[in-house]
Amino acid sequence: EVLLLESGGGLVEPGGSLRLSCEASGFTFDSHAMIWVRQAPGKGLEWVSGIAGSGSDTYYAESVKGRFTLSRDNSKNTVYLQMNSLRVEDTALYYCARGRLFAVPQGWGTDFWGQGTLVTVSS
Amino acid sequence: DIQMTQSPSSLSASVGDRVTITCRASQSIINYLNWYQQKPGKAPKLLISVASSLQSGIPSRFSGSGFGTDFTLTISSLQPDDFATYYCQQSYTSLWTFGPGTKVEVK
Repeated sequence: EVLLLESGGGLVEPGGSLRLSCEASGFTFDSHAMIWVRQAPGKGLEWVSGIAGSGSDTYYAESVKGRFTLSRDNSKNTVYLQMNSLRVEDTALYYCARGRLFAVPQGWGTDFWGQGTLVTVSS
Repeated sequence: DIQMTQSPSSLSASVGDRVTITCRASQSIINYLNWYQQKPGKAPKLLISVASSLQSGIPSRFSGSGFGTDFTLTISSLQPDDFATYYCQQSYTSLWTFGPGTKVEVK
């Protein structure tokens, strides 16, 4: 059974940092890209970042580029989203999802999702 | 970035109705278009990938079509479990983008 378990969310002040983790199980981890998607309260889905199966290629939405860093440790079946210089508008439920393919460009979507971890940026 | 639009933003329908949702990309995305269903408090679920490929376990009343910039999700006979919000998403470029969503409500 494919499982994705996010952790690391919480309350942080503007300008602060958080590191989200997503631990995966039930599949060959390094064969799949991993994706982060967020959803602000009452809003739609926003793609945040993606990483290829090898970890060699990472991609970021313009809204987080330069502030967020995505990495993965294939020996631990875990991806990490380091979030710095957090803003109020980063407040959202952050989902980790499995890419259907190894690569991100020309991918086939995401077929398994975690339940999300809530990030609240507020003073 | 490629912008995605959806129409309508919401619709009211009855069980048994045929429902069609349209998604448009700001430039050609070939067929790298995926459709998701999301219910309140739940993670999104992938319904269709690469425009028309039905995911395993998804009922055959769901279908997708389109190429280039214009795509369609069709529910042939709406069921009670189908009231939800539907999102299209392009994965053609390295920066994926979602449409704003279409909420399907009970008429």
